[in-house]
Amino acid sequence: DTGVSQDPRHKITKRGQNVTFRCDPISEHNRLYWYRQTLGQGPEFLTYFQNEAQLEKSRLLSDRFSAERPKGSFSTLEIQRTEQGDSAMYLCASSRDRGEVNEQFFGPGTRLTVL
Amino acid sequence: DAKTTQPPSMDCAEGRAANLPCNHSTISGNEYVYWYRQIHSQGPQYIIHGLKNNETNEMASLIITEDRKSSTLILPHATLRDTAVYYCIVRVQLNMNRDDKIIFGKGTRLHILP
Repeated sequence: DTGVSQDPRHKITKRGQNVTFRCDPISEHNRLYWYRQTLGQGPEFLTYFQNEAQLEKSRLLSDRFSAERPKGSFSTLEIQRTEQGDSAMYLCASSRDRGEVNEQFFGPGTRLTVL
Repeated sequence: DAKTTQPPSMDCAEGRAANLPCNHSTISGNEYVYWYRQIHSQGPQYIIHGLKNNETNEMASLIITEDRKSSTLILPHATLRDTAVYYCIVRVQLNMNRDDKIIFGKGTRLHILP
């Protein structure tokens, strides 16, 4: 257990439905990241927050995806009008500025299955 | 794209040292070498990182060649619990832009054999 929690751990939904995932980072960590991982591939970066500011978004993050971190603590990732191609593991990670190096601590992930 | 090359899979006998190679021939002077691993159905876990010198911690040792174009992660006494996908990553030192996302490749799937 890294201290990063994600909820739910598993989500099955029908195509076209909206889903929302939550990530609770380690409490003193000011940075929060979302990644997506499909079967057999390494995780792919989606977006990144420093405190409440969303500083970077990958082109993988289509208009149907939105992420928030309203108070600089927990974050949510919403997918609207889900498609079968959205089926993946969604990973959250957090870190704290420590000067030169920045170890990211990952949560257990939310596995999304779109039917 | 990932800036590292790793073999897709490796086997190692339990109790022996597992040596996982990584090529990063285009590494820049301000880029660190990081290793993460991912056990099945879990998120990636940080193992170790280094810049120029060899590093050791309670989990592993990292050997970086003098020209920094390749490195080896060493698990000194592999156990069945070390079966995982191991990712070698190069990451730029934090700078003013604070861009520090991790670019993962496909990693090496390490099987520890009983």
